[in-house]
Amino acid sequence: GAVVSQHPSWVICKSGTSVKIECRSLDFQATTMFWYRQFPKQSLMLMATSNEGSKATYEQGVEKDKFLINHASLTLSTLTVTSAHPEDSSFYICSARNRGGRGYNEQFFGPGTRLTVL
Amino acid sequence: AQKVTQAQTEISVVEKEDVTLDCVYETRDTTYYLFWYKQPPSGELVFLIRRNSFDEQNEISGRYSWNFQKSTSSFNFTITASQVVDSAVYFCALRQGGSEKLVFGKGTKLTVNP
Repeated sequence: GAVVSQHPSWVICKSGTSVKIECRSLDFQATTMFWYRQFPKQSLMLMATSNEGSKATYEQGVEKDKFLINHASLTLSTLTVTSAHPEDSSFYICSARNRGGRGYNEQFFGPGTRLTVL
Repeated sequence: AQKVTQAQTEISVVEKEDVTLDCVYETRDTTYYLFWYKQPPSGELVFLIRRNSFDEQNEISGRYSWNFQKSTSSFNFTITASQVVDSAVYFCALRQGGSEKLVFGKGTKLTVNP
């Protein structure tokens, strides 16, 4: 139980294109999902908190128009990196907070998506 | 403000050695939660333990043990008889009570050599 998936696991794209990353809670409902970014050999930095049915809350310094987040259902949140540039290359990790049951109110992490922008 | 400090950037040990990963935290809240996660080379974060601020009992799980000391704001993690499969980056994290945000330390890369 409490499994979170991400798709794709890796993606390579050209500069200027947009990339969408999906985060799904497979066996539980998640009212809240979180998006993190991790540069090589560095820690995870929270980018934004995504609440189902409402606008995401972005951390200071994160461009809202650059990183579009949509949390359309209790099991799916998407992160779209718009007009990607090489500096957006990173490891993006999502987590989902369990509404109930096992691990109530804790975050469960997805396996991450490695984005490389050429 | 919350802060988590993992002073050890990298540690290298030989298999079967014991190793302790340090974690020091800062928070003004009286209610908070501390976590340890393992990140193997594959990248997925593996949850290891959660501790709340009102429970200072040390915990042991197999070869893993955790020492929580509020007096020194530390939550150290010890691996006994380390194995090559323990090689990973380990993150300590803090969440304030009433908040959803996890604040991570910078991580400690552990390499266990055969």
